[in-house]
Amino acid sequence: DGGITQSPKYLFRKEGQNVTLSCEQNLNHDAMYWYRQDPGQGLRLIYYSQIVNDFQKGDIAEGYSVSREKKESFPLTVTSAQKNPTAFYLCASRPGTGLEAFFGQGTRLTVV
Amino acid sequence: AQSVTQLDSQVPVFEEAPVELRCNYSSSVSVYLFWYVQYPNQGLQLLLKYLSGSTLVESINGFEAEFNKSQTSFHLRKPSVHISDTAEYFCAVRAFSGGYNKLIFGAGTRLAVHP
Repeated sequence: DGGITQSPKYLFRKEGQNVTLSCEQNLNHDAMYWYRQDPGQGLRLIYYSQIVNDFQKGDIAEGYSVSREKKESFPLTVTSAQKNPTAFYLCASRPGTGLEAFFGQGTRLTVV
Repeated sequence: AQSVTQLDSQVPVFEEAPVELRCNYSSSVSVYLFWYVQYPNQGLQLLLKYLSGSTLVESINGFEAEFNKSQTSFHLRKPSVHISDTAEYFCAVRAFSGGYNKLIFGAGTRLAVHP
């Protein structure tokens, strides 16, 4: 089945540790996105990538980093510089000529 | 810059009653609008979209939305809701700047359907 896979679904980390969230898609989509979701704030864009080896900062990129070495993979690293990392993280992808985005099931990160 | 405003953070409604979830957008370029639905602890699923053509768009489960250019609105409606419609609904507009394409989301509206 084609789709977007985010892993793990739940993740716990100690404060001060970096953590990497996985996002893999087998839809052959060109563009990929990372969003952060907090209650009452909707989805805020962290980073996005239009093609391999290219990515751009979104609205809240501070404290995060990404890479796009392969078309199907767009991992997000939450660094210790992110002051409030506990949130629900959503990955999405979009075909090159399409307008709508397709979402993964999300990763809930809790930092204690 | 493009933006989306969802006017209600929560909408409680009784089963079989009609509902309207409001969405206003701002955009200075061609407008492409979307409604997504999110069930608890899941990702977002596309409910319906307006790209061009008829201003009234429908989903397979009875929702519809109307694009109103003069009022810059894209409100979501359903004439009779079910318990299973309880979820969070997000309105989004496509933003295109600097050669990059991205979706801008509203803050979401939590629809709670009561028996």
